[in-house]
Amino acid sequence: ETGVTQTPRHLVMGMTNKKSLKCEQHLGHNAMYWYKQSAKKPLELMFVYSLEERVENNSVPSRFSPECPNSSHLFLHLHTLQPEDSALYLCASSQDLGLKGTEAFFGQGTRLTVV
Amino acid sequence: TQLLEQSPQFLSIQEGENLTVYCNSSSVFSSLQWYRQEPGEGPVLLVTVVTGGEVKKLKRLTFQFGDARKDSSLHITAAQPGDTGLYLCAGVENAGNMLTFGGGTRLMVKP
Repeated sequence: ETGVTQTPRHLVMGMTNKKSLKCEQHLGHNAMYWYKQSAKKPLELMFVYSLEERVENNSVPSRFSPECPNSSHLFLHLHTLQPEDSALYLCASSQDLGLKGTEAFFGQGTRLTVV
Repeated sequence: TQLLEQSPQFLSIQEGENLTVYCNSSSVFSSLQWYRQEPGEGPVLLVTVVTGGEVKKLKRLTFQFGDARKDSSLHITAAQPGDTGLYLCAGVENAGNMLTFGGGTRLMVKP
């Protein structure tokens, strides 16, 4: 138990569906992240939030839409995805951005399959 | 080209053997971290190194940060099947504030 909880653990969705991934952290951290992990590719940083403000968007397609309503919760809204979007989506948090406190605590991930 | 290059990408060894995996970059890092990820789980932090030349030990695992803070190594002594997993290094560049991950080394230790 790392203090970062992701739901659901597994998700199968059609290309026309709309779904959301949820992440919750109970560590009192100020920064939260979405990463994508595909087979044979390194961890790709998608979005970064610090104190509920988005500070990084790594050229992610608009079919992925993040939301951070408060410092403990992070969502990733999905719509009209493609089969190549199938991957493990990992949420992480850290105390702060910057030189101190960038040690990341990860959730267990959501295994997403787009059919 | 990745900012952090890990080698080897894959390693399969017998229980009891020793191994070293590497994390290299041309950039200087204020700190480097090592994570282990098991199948179906998220990465879990093993150690953070912050001082050039620093060596940290975690039971059978020895981590070293290069003198110039551009590289790091992880040495495992007498590997066990429980060490199987994906080992990821990650770092914050000197002038940056984001954590960047390497591509990982996938280790399999056979009984």
